[in-house]
Amino acid sequence: GAVVSQHPSWVICKSGTSVKIECRSLDFQATTMFWYRQFPKQSLMLMATSNEGSKATYEQGVEKDKFLINHASLTLSTLTVTSAHPEDSSFYICSASLVGTDTQYFGPGTRLTVL
Amino acid sequence: SQELEQSPQSLIVQEGKNLTINCTSSKTLYGLYWYKQKYGEGLIFLMMLQKGGEEKSHEKITAKLDEKKQQSSLHITASQPSHAGIYLCGADTDYGGSQGNLIFGKGTKLSVKP
Repeated sequence: GAVVSQHPSWVICKSGTSVKIECRSLDFQATTMFWYRQFPKQSLMLMATSNEGSKATYEQGVEKDKFLINHASLTLSTLTVTSAHPEDSSFYICSASLVGTDTQYFGPGTRLTVL
Repeated sequence: SQELEQSPQSLIVQEGKNLTINCTSSKTLYGLYWYKQKYGEGLIFLMMLQKGGEEKSHEKITAKLDEKKQQSSLHITASQPSHAGIYLCGADTDYGGSQGNLIFGKGTKLSVKP
């Protein structure tokens, strides 16, 4: 149990386009989902905390207008990278917390490459 | 496939005491990360270790990677209530982490009694 999926797993896009990444908790309800990014040879860095039905909380330095997060249901959160640029190329990973627990379950990640 | 095993799963210590958390990999580690998580919050990056024998410190937290690069330990000196939380180790599954394939241990829940 407690499986988190991400879609797509890999995406290439042109500079200036927008890309949407989905994060789903497949067999549990997640009131809170987290979005991270990881650059090569670096750590995961928390981008934002997404709570179902409310606005996401962004970490300092993360542009909320560029990285749009929507958490419309207890099983789905989306991250949209708007007007993507090559510097946005990274590995994006989400995690979800089971309601009432503090355990995070991680998705497999999405590799974004912006040309 | 590579796995990370953390021990202990949970730990309760008296304030002021030292403690150690271990993370053991089934394969050689090329990048080992330590994170801390507070309830309801995202992971906070603590330290990254890459070289065998490497040791890093941040305030009262020290992390080491053994020479064989298959085990890391996180040591907290003179623990404080602010140290309470879940400590998670993570690793890249291929050299250089360029693919971004990450694995995580199951976490160690630390409680510090005042």
